[in-house]
Amino acid sequence: EDKVVQSPLSLVVHEGDTVTLNCSYEVTNFRSLLWYKQEKKAPTFLFMLTSSGIEKKSGRLSSILDKKELFSILNITATQTGDSAIYLCAVAPGNQFYFGTGTSLTVIP
Amino acid sequence: GAGVSQTPSNKVTEKGKYVELRCDPISGHTALYWYRQSLGQGPEFLIYFQGTGAADDSGLPNDRFFAVRPEGSVSTLKIQRTERGDSAVYLCASSIGGGIDTQYFGPGTRLTVL
Repeated sequence: EDKVVQSPLSLVVHEGDTVTLNCSYEVTNFRSLLWYKQEKKAPTFLFMLTSSGIEKKSGRLSSILDKKELFSILNITATQTGDSAIYLCAVAPGNQFYFGTGTSLTVIP
Repeated sequence: GAGVSQTPSNKVTEKGKYVELRCDPISGHTALYWYRQSLGQGPEFLIYFQGTGAADDSGLPNDRFFAVRPEGSVSTLKIQRTERGDSAVYLCASSIGGGIDTQYFGPGTRLTVL
């Protein structure tokens, strides 16, 4: 059965801290892994990863995929209160995207 | 143009009633997806359209749920004989061509069944 597991489920940090969010998966016919940020309703796209070992970076956020060990990490450096959100990982074996339950990040001033 | 839009933003209905939820995808996106998200959970896949046809409806939980996309653009998710367990946020997403293309989500419709 295809599944996506994210950890930790929730995280509370202080502004300026660096955090690492984890996503492990088991899917047949892996095609891509995506990270989304969800603050209210609509998840907003962060990264799409298809190849192992190639880091994607956008400002203070970066992500990397390990297709051998079947996981991805999302790093956020110098966290800000605006980073508080639920971070979702999704894996596409085909037309469907399987989502994890998300990591709830709270950044305290 | 604009992003994915969904209407209504909130819908409160009574158990047993029929509801329709609408999604307007990004112009030019051929792929459209419906998801359901319950509190504390990630989005759960319901159905995927490529153009006008339902390419994958394996996520629809039962035959009370149905979705259409008659002209390959706007889609409507229809729920018959609603149950309290149907209460959730229903998210719509679109992508340029489906497959591994990035999905862009709408703001969702929060459905509450009393």
